[in-house]
Amino acid sequence: KNQVEQSPQSLIILEGKNCTLQCNYTVSPFSNLRWYKQDTGRGPVSLTIMTFSENTKSNGRYTATLDADTKQSSLHITASQLSDSASYICVVSANGGSYIPTFGRGTSLIVHP
Amino acid sequence: GAVVSQHPSRVICKSGTSVKIECRSLDFQATTMFWYRQFPKKSLMLMATSNEGSKATYEQGVEKDKFLINHASLTLSTLTVTSAHPEDSSFYICSATAGSGNTIYFGEGSWLTVV
Repeated sequence: KNQVEQSPQSLIILEGKNCTLQCNYTVSPFSNLRWYKQDTGRGPVSLTIMTFSENTKSNGRYTATLDADTKQSSLHITASQLSDSASYICVVSANGGSYIPTFGRGTSLIVHP
Repeated sequence: GAVVSQHPSRVICKSGTSVKIECRSLDFQATTMFWYRQFPKKSLMLMATSNEGSKATYEQGVEKDKFLINHASLTLSTLTVTSAHPEDSSFYICSATAGSGNTIYFGEGSWLTVV
């Protein structure tokens, strides 16, 4: 069964600090992994998308890594800002004709001033 | 700018009535659209997957007769909540993709309140 596990479930950090969110998956055969940011009451917004051959990708202060061998990904947020407070969702898609992605439950990040 | 438009963003309806939510891809042809439901502080829950021109595939536990999904064109999918009850009140989100390997774009979501 395809699964995506995210940790921690929630995280509170001070403004300006860095943090790292984790995503482990069992989706196979692997196609791509996406990180989304979802503000409360809004639709998720794509941060990064990574394929099998990519092991790091940055989008501003967000840097995603992918280890396809261990089936792990991380999202590193540098110099956090109050506006980073949101849910971060890891989504993994499989190859083979199915477009249905597997969603993680998300990590709720709160940045305090 | 937004590439998936969802409408309405907020709707209040009376118990027993039906309400339709639209999801449009603005600048690409969405071969597949997804509908989700999200309760406060909970993760997205996939309700159904729809491919243009074919019947939607519903996830286990989702009533297909209650949540009618139509994907009549490559740019429009609709979710109709029939005979709405207060427990149907939730945040409904759609997403669309041009195909496997492509980015999945999300709509802004629709808040449904059934009174």
